[in-house]
Amino acid sequence: EPEVTQTPSHQVTQMGQEVILRCVPISNHLYFYWYRQILGQKVEFLVSFYNNEISEKSEIFDDQFSVERPDGSNFTLKIRSTKLEDSAMYFCAGMPGQGDGANVLTFGAGSRLTVL
Amino acid sequence: RKEVEQDPGPFNVPEGATVAFNCTYSNSASQSFFWYRQDCRKEPKLLMSVYSSGNEDGRFTAQLNRASQYISLLIRDSKLSDSATYLCVVNGVGATNKLIFGTGTLLAVQP
Repeated sequence: EPEVTQTPSHQVTQMGQEVILRCVPISNHLYFYWYRQILGQKVEFLVSFYNNEISEKSEIFDDQFSVERPDGSNFTLKIRSTKLEDSAMYFCAGMPGQGDGANVLTFGAGSRLTVL
Repeated sequence: RKEVEQDPGPFNVPEGATVAFNCTYSNSASQSFFWYRQDCRKEPKLLMSVYSSGNEDGRFTAQLNRASQYISLLIRDSKLSDSATYLCVVNGVGATNKLIFGTGTLLAVQP
């Protein structure tokens, strides 16, 4: 079964450092997302990406965050200058956008970010 | 009112019990509804979509009441392996079709 692959599984960084989280979505998906989940809290929407551009972003997704799909395969989330409160699990997800299960999100296993 | 609201639990039930989870959503224009399951420190995984007429998948039954903006999940004959957090998920309004997650209801099935 196709899956969403995320790297790294865990990253520890110092406050103020830049972090890039990587995702390889399922190849026939049209919509891509980043969600985050702070420990013990709910899964929160960060940003959606369609047709090689951001289609929607949440209040959390401020100027410190950016997303790219540089080569038509990888989908990255960059945090320019990490803060302590950025510590969370970051999930990449994709959605087919057509056909059976068009609106079903499939998640990667997540990248756990710890900011010290 | 929160976009998607769930009773956080925990629900502690014995094996074999029937347990029901409820969820309410605020946006009457929402069209897609799901239950996801999340194990501790893992990613959410689709349990089942929720259809207007209600639907069943084995021991799991989902119901939707659009008038009350209410979704339910019933688990019959609970197994130890059902222990997890159950997430009510509703699509937001807008071209991106983002999905909005409730806080989840924690289920612990006891032997």
